[in-house]
Amino acid sequence: NAGVTQTPKFQVLKTGQSMTLQCAQDMNHNSMYWYRQDPGMGLRLIYYSASEGTTDKGEVPNGYNVSRLNKREFSLRLESAAPSQTSVYFCASSDGMGSPLHFGNGTRLTVT
Amino acid sequence: AQSVTQLGSHVSVSEGALVLLRCNYSSSVPPYLFWYVQYPNQGLQLLLKYTTGATLVKGINGFEAEFKKSETSFHLTKPSAHMSDAAEYFCAVSGAGGTSYGKLTFGQGTILTVHP
Repeated sequence: NAGVTQTPKFQVLKTGQSMTLQCAQDMNHNSMYWYRQDPGMGLRLIYYSASEGTTDKGEVPNGYNVSRLNKREFSLRLESAAPSQTSVYFCASSDGMGSPLHFGNGTRLTVT
Repeated sequence: AQSVTQLGSHVSVSEGALVLLRCNYSSSVPPYLFWYVQYPNQGLQLLLKYTTGATLVKGINGFEAEFKKSETSFHLTKPSAHMSDAAEYFCAVSGAGGTSYGKLTFGQGTILTVHP
């Protein structure tokens, strides 16, 4: 089983460039999430989608947009990348309240 | 609102020694609590979870955690550390309220080092 698949694994951008991080899950989960991980700060929620057709801001949404394309896919877009967005990005999915999150292997993004 | 505090960003133990990783939480509603482990350059893997019922929760790889409501704690333990336990560990909380949508709030992480 693939679980949660993220692409790309690595990316280097220049300040001001845009890109979209892709995420797909094959577990038929309703809810999907985007987190960023920075040293010493744990994981912080960027955006989430409780179900197909809905998206909401998390703790650190500024500079990002998301699209829940269908039940399987949830993409994260950086319109104008900044060095402060250098981070490791994780996509996750779950059945919702009380259920554990299943994580992808992450995208390591560097913005120069 | 909910938050998680992990006491100690780094913990070092000898192989065979007790592992104790501390986690305290705050939540305005009854919490769901989780421990995850992250090995280098990988995603997060679920170790164990507390939802309702028994307060002592057993997880994978010999780990267990005890939910103590009076102390708002959910500490992770393992009786005997193994070299393969070296990793970063995250405690996370989710509120049981209807607007939580399963979102998890994570602690800062604790890096466990195991010495031979």
